[in-house]
Amino acid sequence: DAKTTQPPSMDCAEGRAANLPCNHSTISGNEYVYWYRQIHSQGPQYIIHGLKNNETNEMASLIITEDRKSSTLILPHATLRDTAVYYCIVKFSGGYNKLIFGAGTRLAVHP
Amino acid sequence: EAGVTQFPSHSVIEKGQTVTLRCDPISGHDNLYWYRRVMGKEIKFLLHFVKESKQDESGMPNNRFLAERTGGTYSTLKVQPAELEDSGVYFCASSRAGQGIYGYTFGSGTRLTVV
Repeated sequence: DAKTTQPPSMDCAEGRAANLPCNHSTISGNEYVYWYRQIHSQGPQYIIHGLKNNETNEMASLIITEDRKSSTLILPHATLRDTAVYYCIVKFSGGYNKLIFGAGTRLAVHP
Repeated sequence: EAGVTQFPSHSVIEKGQTVTLRCDPISGHDNLYWYRRVMGKEIKFLLHFVKESKQDESGMPNNRFLAERTGGTYSTLKVQPAELEDSGVYFCASSRAGQGIYGYTFGSGTRLTVV
């Protein structure tokens, strides 16, 4: 599975968009980009995933560059409840399904 | 549907004692995973059950840890004897057969403190 690089921490004002970057320059053609987050005192939570097209769901949008070497998770209107550690994970869709978490990005949303 | 349930939510035990953590997955989920985060470290995979069979136990730290999933329903993770470095949060997750990692649902975890 490809290695990912994320900034250790970010801040965002409540109501503004939070843009969390992830670099995955060694990604292979059949590896997906997944995003999870962990809110304090809860288990990790799936957010979104994509292969090469941009994706959007009720929680977030995922923008993947054309060369697929990086991606950005966008929380369009961040709330205080979005304060969490966000993990970018690159993985084949098949095979064993264990998650390999890195250090992630600690996002602090402030009033 | 009910989520993944873990208990106890907190456990404080003395070094050398035995502790058993339990995980009840979502009904119908064949896949069950255990992960843990020890102090200051990243979340690490421990093992993966498919129904009652251990599919991958490559993350189990040593033979003080024993995981079971009798009947393919709930799972237990026993630590015997517990050491100080076992302190951390233990997470359980489940998913349906054939679902990718987007299908994971995690429990809230058991916070284990060994003193």
